[in-house]
Amino acid sequence: AQKVTQAQTEISVVEKEDVTLDCVYETRDTTYYLFWYKQPPSGELVFLIRRNSFDEQNEISGRYSWNFQKSTSSFNFTITASQVVDSAVYFCALTMNRDDKIIFGKGTRLHILP
Amino acid sequence: DTEVTQTPKHLVMGMTNKKSLKCEQHMGHRAMYWYKQKAKKPPELMFVYSYEKLSINESVPSRFSPECPNSSLLNLHLHALQPEDSALYLCASSQDAGSDAVDTQYFGPGTRLTVL
Repeated sequence: AQKVTQAQTEISVVEKEDVTLDCVYETRDTTYYLFWYKQPPSGELVFLIRRNSFDEQNEISGRYSWNFQKSTSSFNFTITASQVVDSAVYFCALTMNRDDKIIFGKGTRLHILP
Repeated sequence: DTEVTQTPKHLVMGMTNKKSLKCEQHMGHRAMYWYKQKAKKPPELMFVYSYEKLSINESVPSRFSPECPNSSLLNLHLHALQPEDSALYLCASSQDAGSDAVDTQYFGPGTRLTVL
């Protein structure tokens, strides 16, 4: 069975702190894709990153970085020097090859306090 | 440009009304999706259109009727809805590159639907 677990339901940090959102996935497929989406209060899901199962390189984009470790089935997301605009719900998601269905985690609600 | 637009942004309707949600993308994507999202939950897939044909219907009640008039447009016709259908309805699109890969889905801002 495929599953995505985001154990942190809600996190609050003070602005400028670093914060890591955890994501653990389960799948028996050898080819799969992992995603992170951001959902601000406005509602739109904003695509942040996509990783395929054969690419374990970590990724950095500005203040955002992602750590993909197949050994622990984790795809964690770190925001460095957080800002109030980072406040949102963040979803980790999994898709199998040749499949249109996204398996979402339950989301982590992140509050950045000024 | 990774923009998917949805209209209206908000919709309030009675249980006997008929209304439609509209979604549009101009990215040349050939797959389009409808999702339903209840508060504090992740989105749930409702329908998938691939090359203007319905490819997935996740056992959605018939009071929701999707339509894909062309590759850029996706509608969701609503009729005789129930209060529990109140939710955020999200549209998404993806390239649909075929069977060898999975494409990133890009989402619109959603329509917040309230059924009275």
